[in-house]
Amino acid sequence: DVQLVESGGGLVKPGRSLRLSCAVSGFTFSTYTMNWVRQAPGKGLEWVSSISGRSSYIYYADSVRGRFTITRDNARNSLFLQMDNLRAEDTAIYYCVREDTAVLKQAFAYWGQGTRVIVSS
Amino acid sequence: DIQMTQSPSTLSASVGDRVTITCRASQTIHSGLAWYRQRPGKAPNLVIFKASTLGSGVPSRFSGSGSGTEFTLTISGLQPDDFATYYCQQYNVYPYSFGQGTQLEIK
Repeated sequence: DVQLVESGGGLVKPGRSLRLSCAVSGFTFSTYTMNWVRQAPGKGLEWVSSISGRSSYIYYADSVRGRFTITRDNARNSLFLQMDNLRAEDTAIYYCVREDTAVLKQAFAYWGQGTRVIVSS
Repeated sequence: DIQMTQSPSTLSASVGDRVTITCRASQTIHSGLAWYRQRPGKAPNLVIFKASTLGSGVPSRFSGSGSGTEFTLTISGLQPDDFATYYCQQYNVYPYSFGQGTQLEIK
């Protein structure tokens, strides 16, 4: 079974950094594009970033570009999101998401349970 | 960037009803459109992809249609589990984008 387990969330002050991790199992991690999607309290879904299987293609939402960095370690079956210079508006649940097939640009078939990030002084 | 607009924002219906949610893209996305259902406190799950293909394990009472810029999600014979929030998403071009959501409530 496909499993995605996020960790690393917590309470952090504005301007500080946090690193989210997503441990995956049940599929060949290196062949799938992975994404981070977030959801602010009481709000809708916002795509944050994508990284292709071999890290050849990386994309960011305008709202996080220059502050967040997505990476992956295929040997460790892990996805990461380094979040720097955090702002109050980054407060959200962050989901690790796998696309449906190994072809580029597919729907989001598998979601983790999410990890909560709160940015507050 | 492509803007996704869903309507209505809220929809009230009863068990057994047939409902339709609409999603419009600000420019063509061909068939790169997905629908997700999100129950309170849970992660979203994929309902429809490629505009009209049912996700794995999704009941046949769900159907999707459309291409280009206008899409619909129809649920025929609402079940209690279906009362949730639904989001459309375009994945045709980066940056990916979601609609603002449609909350389906019990009447």
